[in-house]
Amino acid sequence: AQRVTQPEKLLSVFKGAPVELKCNYSYSGSPELFWYVQYSRQRLQLLLRHISRESIKGFTADLNKGETSFHLKKPFAQEEDSAMYYCALSADSGNTPLVFGKGTRLSVIA
Amino acid sequence: NAGVTQTPKFRILKIGQSMTLQCTQDMNHNYMYWYRQDPGMGLKLIYYSVGAGITDKGEVPNGYNVSRSTTEDFPLRLELAAPSQTSVYFCASSYPTQTSGKKNEQFFGPGTRLTVL
Repeated sequence: AQRVTQPEKLLSVFKGAPVELKCNYSYSGSPELFWYVQYSRQRLQLLLRHISRESIKGFTADLNKGETSFHLKKPFAQEEDSAMYYCALSADSGNTPLVFGKGTRLSVIA
Repeated sequence: NAGVTQTPKFRILKIGQSMTLQCTQDMNHNYMYWYRQDPGMGLKLIYYSVGAGITDKGEVPNGYNVSRSTTEDFPLRLELAAPSQTSVYFCASSYPTQTSGKKNEQFFGPGTRLTVL
């Protein structure tokens, strides 16, 4: 069975500090990994996906198959980054339902 | 496009009452999903559908029913509401598998906050 683990419920950083939101997964096949974000009073939306290998709003995430991790990083946190972040996994290449982690609330302090 | 819409936004039910949470998408997505979000627990899949007339159970289907008579609509039914069903419910949809570069990207509705007392 697939599982996604986000070890931190809450992460507080100062504005301008680096941010790393951790995500580990367990799945024996070839997963597709995503980061979703939910800003206050907004709906959940896709932030980035590992196959795109792009930077969105300054965030990047690299899939490390050896460590089964997909940590989300940003070199300089901004106040507008404060939100709930969810790591999600989809098994194989089909449109299988996503398995979500429990989420990490990021709070960026001015 | 309105994307994924959900009604109602909020609802309070008494134990044993029934209700239907509505979900509609106007993106012609084949795949639709229902999740519940409990504090500190992330999102858990209730039911999903790969197309009209086809539905499958997710991780936590007990106490819920779904139907998919059209591509656009995917209502979630609670027959006998229980306090354990107090949660925020999200509907989502995604592109067909063959859509290059877009598969598995799920689009979410704004959510329905349900309280069962």
